[in-house]
Amino acid sequence: DADVTQTPRNRITKTGKRIMLECSQTKGHDRMYWYRQDPGLGLRLIYYSFDVKDINKGEISDGYSVSRQAQAKFSLSLESAIPNQTALYFCATSDFTVNYGYTFGSGTRLTVV
Amino acid sequence: AQSVTQLDSHVSVSEGTPVLLRCNYSSSYSPSLFWYVQHPNKGLQLLLKYTSAATLVKGINGFEAEFKKSETSFHLTKPSAHMSDAAEYFCVVSTGGGNKLTFGTGTQLKVEL
Repeated sequence: DADVTQTPRNRITKTGKRIMLECSQTKGHDRMYWYRQDPGLGLRLIYYSFDVKDINKGEISDGYSVSRQAQAKFSLSLESAIPNQTALYFCATSDFTVNYGYTFGSGTRLTVV
Repeated sequence: AQSVTQLDSHVSVSEGTPVLLRCNYSSSYSPSLFWYVQHPNKGLQLLLKYTSAATLVKGINGFEAEFKKSETSFHLTKPSAHMSDAAEYFCVVSTGGGNKLTFGTGTQLKVEL
């Protein structure tokens, strides 16, 4: 099994629908992150969490919300999806310091039509 | 604020020739720097990392990078390109007091016969 698992792998949804992307990890890491990737823009941070009681906004949090249900689970929600939220979404985890880098999930490709 | 600039959005080389992917960083303190690779339709894989130890860092698959403080650079090199190196490469810097990673916009490497 993968260390960081994202579900679903692919999703097509309609404008205005609520959708949740899920992430679970077996690394035992406290820190979890959600990024989105767009062509030519690299990865941009949406939200991050350092433990179950700590949630922080990233650089592009508008239109998104998150829930840290447990140390191992971190979900990203789009309350009312819009087409410009079409992107590849990555969940990542890290140890107490990012100096060892992140462990990434395989990504969720979301299309909003 | 800490940031990275990848100087080329696309690089094309012939198989067997050297690879150079350029990255400059901006940081008010000594940063941790990383290179990640993303093969088509795949997740992100850590190639190598610099965390204030040796300035020449060796990574996987024959890649290496040199941290040059005087030039604020962290360029990625490989002596001889292989077709399997064709991918997108991201230069990444630790930010937020070392609590998260900020990605460059990526360099697409094409390897031709």
